[in-house]
Amino acid sequence: DIQMTQSPSSLSASVGDRLTITCRASQTITSYLNWYQQKPGQAPKLLIYAASSLHSAVPSRFSGSGSGTDFTLTISSLQPEDFATYFCQQSYTTPWTFGQGTKVEVK
Amino acid sequence: QVQLQESGPGLVKASQTLSLTCTVSGTSIISGGHYWSWIRQHPGKGLEWLGYIYYSGSPYYNPSLKSRLTISMDTSKTQFSLRLSSVTAADTAVYYCARHSSNWCFDYWGQGILVSVSS
Repeated sequence: DIQMTQSPSSLSASVGDRLTITCRASQTITSYLNWYQQKPGQAPKLLIYAASSLHSAVPSRFSGSGSGTDFTLTISSLQPEDFATYFCQQSYTTPWTFGQGTKVEVK
Repeated sequence: QVQLQESGPGLVKASQTLSLTCTVSGTSIISGGHYWSWIRQHPGKGLEWLGYIYYSGSPYYNPSLKSRLTISMDTSKTQFSLRLSSVTAADTAVYYCARHSSNWCFDYWGQGILVSVSS
């Protein structure tokens, strides 16, 4: 199975901060990398697909980059509604796997 | 508007079979290019993809659960289902159904259903 490792596991930030979350795959996944946001009690929501494509209705402050094994999710200016847990996920090969999550908390 | 909704018992006894159904609306589950999946999340933990059924009816299972898992589809009712046999406390989780799209991502999710396994 392809292991997905996110860092950090958690972080504290303030509204307006620029955030970067990284995701590393245990082998190349080309650009088959997706990012999701999950709030407590809710299902994950797709933010970014194919490493850098913004899903419909997702604010432009979210962006993704990377290819191969190393990927990043950037939030350019953190908003109050962005405090949540973020997961990366690879669809390069089955079994499709997720990172362990990065929890973004209020500083 | 594509919507998915999980249904089934919230409590299952250990050693029995967990059965859940996902009802899909707003699209046809037999339209090509989509893999109808089940994903679970243990309390406070990460996400685990369990398996999918393709529009043609072909299933694929995560090898970690393959021996206990069955995913099927009822095209007439626009539903797909999960059956997990011989459950233990380790199967207590929130179970989600989701669509894996032609963009190779999970673009639509159900709200999730918590299933607890009791001894």
